[in-house]
Amino acid sequence: DGGITQSPKYLFRKEGQNVTLSCEQNLNHDAMYWYRQDPGQGLRLIYYSQIVNDFQKGDIAEGYSVSREKKESFPLTVTSAQKNPTAFYLCASRKKGEFGNTIYFGEGSWLTVV
Amino acid sequence: AQSVTQLGSHVSVSEGALVLLRCNYSSSVPPYLFWYVQYPNQGLQLLLKYTSAATLVKGINGFEAEFKKSETSFHLTKPSAHMSDAAEYFCAVSTSGSARQLTFGSGTQLTVLP
Repeated sequence: DGGITQSPKYLFRKEGQNVTLSCEQNLNHDAMYWYRQDPGQGLRLIYYSQIVNDFQKGDIAEGYSVSREKKESFPLTVTSAQKNPTAFYLCASRKKGEFGNTIYFGEGSWLTVV
Repeated sequence: AQSVTQLGSHVSVSEGALVLLRCNYSSSVPPYLFWYVQYPNQGLQLLLKYTSAATLVKGINGFEAEFKKSETSFHLTKPSAHMSDAAEYFCAVSTSGSARQLTFGSGTQLTVLP
């Protein structure tokens, strides 16, 4: 079955460390996204990529980095520069349709800084 | 610019009662509108979407939503709540363009009482 796979589901990080969250999709979607979700808030866009080897900053890109070397993969690195990294991270990809686009999400990754 | 407002961060209904989750949007161009559901510790699942084909949209699990342009609303309803409907629901808006991005509301937590 096609879908979006995020790993790990739970991750603990010490302050000052960089960590990378994996996102893989086998849906053949061109566009991929990373969102951050905090309690009581909607999702906020971190980075997005519309095509391989290209990506754009979203609303809260500071302290994060991404790469898009393959269509299937869009890893997110949370760097030590991110002041408040503890959150739920969602990866998504976009399907182009006749009547508009639809965003599909992975299961999410919980990151906790200890 | 686009935005989404979900009225009521918490909604409680009795099992078997009508579910009504409110969503109002603002958009400078005709929007695409979505409702997503998120169960605990999971990613977002698409419930339904409006793409101008029909103003009354039927989704999964018995949910439907009606697009009312005059009221800039896209409220989500279900005639009879089930315990399994307890989750967080997000309304989202998107506009056409090469850098399609979703703007999410802050979410509504639905509790179903026995």
